[in-house]
Amino acid sequence: QQQVRQSPQSLTVWEGETAILNCSYENSAFDYFPWYQQFPGEGPALLIAIRSVSDKKEDGGFTIFFNKREKNLSLHIKDSQPGDSATYFCAASEGGSALGRLHFGAGTQLIVIP
Amino acid sequence: GPKVLQIPSHQIIDMGQMVTLNCDPVSNHLYFYWYKQILGQQMEFLVNFYNGKVMEKSKLFKDQFSVERPDGSYFTLKIQPTALEDSAVYFCASSSDWGGDEQYFGPGTRLTVL
Repeated sequence: QQQVRQSPQSLTVWEGETAILNCSYENSAFDYFPWYQQFPGEGPALLIAIRSVSDKKEDGGFTIFFNKREKNLSLHIKDSQPGDSATYFCAASEGGSALGRLHFGAGTQLIVIP
Repeated sequence: GPKVLQIPSHQIIDMGQMVTLNCDPVSNHLYFYWYKQILGQQMEFLVNFYNGKVMEKSKLFKDQFSVERPDGSYFTLKIQPTALEDSAVYFCASSSDWGGDEQYFGPGTRLTVL
């Protein structure tokens, strides 16, 4: 059973637009949600993360909006640049930290057109 | 940033053979992980390892799998014997419980079982 789901599978935006990537989860015990960015041939790298006690987290041009009641969250990438073209994974874990197992979504491939 | 290295980047072996995947974690990290990603699917947790012991493993971590980190050297995943369904990209990650608990991922080893 897929515990973390992402949509869309692929997203194309123009340079300068805001890209919105969606994520939902099944397990109410999940309380830590990192987003990873992955470029071809590389491993995933942590972009930004949020804990369930917060409903919003900002870091540079990246913002997570979190809705605990609906069990979903979204990643907003403001002023998208071609260098942001990558695959983005939403993940979730219990215990309030990243030390335990991470449950990953299938990823959203973002393409930013100059 | 901190780097996790994985050796080799690609391994091709015949079904039934043994294979060892090597991970060089971030220096001074104490938590180690293996994840498996089949082409087109999400990354799935296999096992985590701390203080010389397996802390948690998933159903994907079959009896043919084993992990160890002898004398602080490589963190290894051994599969013996291999099966066709073991073909995937295997990602290693490491983490510490101080200064942030992010899991740092390696670039992956692509395993092809023929």
